[in-house]
Amino acid sequence: NAGVTQTPKFQVLKTGQSMTLQCAQDMNHEYMSWYRQDPGMGLRLIHYSVGAGITDQGEVPNGYNVSRSTTEDFPLRLLSAAPSQTSVYFCASSSKGQGAGYEQYFGPGTRLTVT
Amino acid sequence: AQKVTQAQTEISVVEKEDVTLDCVYETRDTTYYLFWYKQPPSGELVFLIRRNSFDEQNEISGRYSWNFQKSTSSFNFTITASQVVDSAVYFCALNDYKLSFGAGTTVTVRA
Repeated sequence: NAGVTQTPKFQVLKTGQSMTLQCAQDMNHEYMSWYRQDPGMGLRLIHYSVGAGITDQGEVPNGYNVSRSTTEDFPLRLLSAAPSQTSVYFCASSSKGQGAGYEQYFGPGTRLTVT
Repeated sequence: AQKVTQAQTEISVVEKEDVTLDCVYETRDTTYYLFWYKQPPSGELVFLIRRNSFDEQNEISGRYSWNFQKSTSSFNFTITASQVVDSAVYFCALNDYKLSFGAGTTVTVRA
């Protein structure tokens, strides 16, 4: 199993550009989520999905869109990049939804810089 | 309000010293789960341990041990006889209805 994969690993965008961060998992996990990691702030939840066709907002959803058309894929879209979105982005999956005691499996991360 | 507080931002020790990382959490739920994750310099996030709110039994796994005290809402983590490879950022996390992470503690172990 590849686990959770993310592409790209690094990306530089100009302010106002859009892009999609890709995330895929091959563990048949129901629950997938996106986090951003900023210095001194831990990981903050952006959006999550409890299954195909179901998504919801996390703690910091503004400026990001998600969709979940398949169990395997959960892309994160930046509609109009801003310097405040410079961060490291992690995708994660787990076999059960929120409130459950299943550990999250994290992807390797995408380092995004917006100039 | 911060749900998970890791009071120590950075800890630096010499190899073979013990290191204890503090974690205090806040929740109104009676059922919840607590986690510790490790993020080495390579950047990936590695799951270390999970505890549910009904299991206050402390655990030792090799050089790692965890102390869960519901009465004080604390879930502390100790590395015994630290090694250079333990250098990493350690995150405490709470999952009640949503997974919340602490800000992380950077541990540096010097040879």
